[in-house]
Amino acid sequence: DGGITQSPKYLFRKEGQNVTLSCEQNLNHDAMYWYRQDPGQGLRLIYYSQIVNDFQKGDIAEGYSVSREKKESFPLTVTSAQKNPTAFYLCASSHGTGSYEQYFGPGTRLTVT
Amino acid sequence: GIQVEQSPPDLILQEGANSTLRCNFSDSVNNLQWFHQNPWGQLINLFYIPSGTKQNGRLSATTVATERYSLLYISSSQTTDSGVYFCAAFGDYKLSFGAGTTVTVRA
Repeated sequence: DGGITQSPKYLFRKEGQNVTLSCEQNLNHDAMYWYRQDPGQGLRLIYYSQIVNDFQKGDIAEGYSVSREKKESFPLTVTSAQKNPTAFYLCASSHGTGSYEQYFGPGTRLTVT
Repeated sequence: GIQVEQSPPDLILQEGANSTLRCNFSDSVNNLQWFHQNPWGQLINLFYIPSGTKQNGRLSATTVATERYSLLYISSSQTTDSGVYFCAAFGDYKLSFGAGTTVTVRA
């Protein structure tokens, strides 16, 4: 089955630690995205990547980093510089970064205490 | 970026009722999507509808791009329709999301 997987589903970390969230897709999509969702709100774009070895900042990139070494993988690192890291993180992909339909993974809930 | 406003913020329905959710956006868009977020947080694609009308079972959507709004219709609602419905408009390189409409369908 084609789709997007994210792991882990739940993640707990202590303040000051970096943490990496995994996102993998087997849809052969060129573009991948990371979004953050806070309770009662819509999604906000953190980073996106159009092709391998290229990525761009979204609206709230501060305190996050990404890499795109393989077409199917787009991991997100939440660094200790992110002031409010506790949130629900969603990964998405699409054929391209134009007005193509985006599809989402199941998400990772990160709690930092 | 594009501003997206959804209304109403909350909607409580009796099973079997019909409803309309509205999405207004501030500028011309190349793409508009409707999603349903289930209780586990998964975003399910409902419609990709830059313009026109589409139907999928009990759900249908209409986007009037020239007037900058889209409507999602739920007919004969069921308890499984509960959840948060988001619309998202693509423009200025990214997909911008509204704050969502929380739908509760009571048996």
